[in-house]
Amino acid sequence: GDSVTQMEGPVTLSEEAFLTINCTYTATGYPSLFWYVQYPGEGLQLLLKATKADDKGSNKGFEATYRKETTSFHLEKGSVQVSDSAVYFCALPSDRGSTLGRLYFGRGTQLTVWP
Amino acid sequence: GAGVSQSPSNKVTEKGKDVELRCDPISGHTALYWYRQSLGQGLEFLIYFQGNSAPDKSGLPSDRFSAERTGGSVSTLTIQRTQQEDSAVYLCASSLLPRGVGAETQYFGPGTRLLVL
Repeated sequence: GDSVTQMEGPVTLSEEAFLTINCTYTATGYPSLFWYVQYPGEGLQLLLKATKADDKGSNKGFEATYRKETTSFHLEKGSVQVSDSAVYFCALPSDRGSTLGRLYFGRGTQLTVWP
Repeated sequence: GAGVSQSPSNKVTEKGKDVELRCDPISGHTALYWYRQSLGQGLEFLIYFQGNSAPDKSGLPSDRFSAERTGGSVSTLTIQRTQQEDSAVYLCASSLLPRGVGAETQYFGPGTRLLVL
């Protein structure tokens, strides 16, 4: 069935370091892919998305490219900031009739950035 | 415009009591979802409403959990005879459509933090 496998953390980086959080997926079709972020004490916010193969989603300096050949949607940022400290979730929507609409989430990756 | 709102933001209850959690989706969004976020289980899907169709209840963990959506807008998640393992953050989300390029993005509310003593 549809699923998401996400690199588990925690990830601890110094400010201005390069970030990669791996995400791979299993799906019957070619769903849209999402990254959500949860800042401390807050709800989930959409960070970026990609709707088809080879699309690159980007926002706030974060990028992720939809790779059909490797079924991956890795999140990257060239220079992290302390304010990026949060939990990041990779997600895909179900494309199956009986479960249509629900999101499958990865387990989440806790990122802590030190000054 | 306004985002998804949920109330209460925090709820403390005693084991065995019933609780009701409310969700106001974004105006015009036809699809509404409930998820639960707990330390051991991550983000779990609970239930999904789409327009006037029968809801997808396949994620509800037990028959103590139920939800309704009135008038295609506001939704209430009810937990009867609460147990300590029900303690979690309950998240509501809505989307314009359940699927479709660009239209299936789910927008989340701030959540209700439930603590069962």
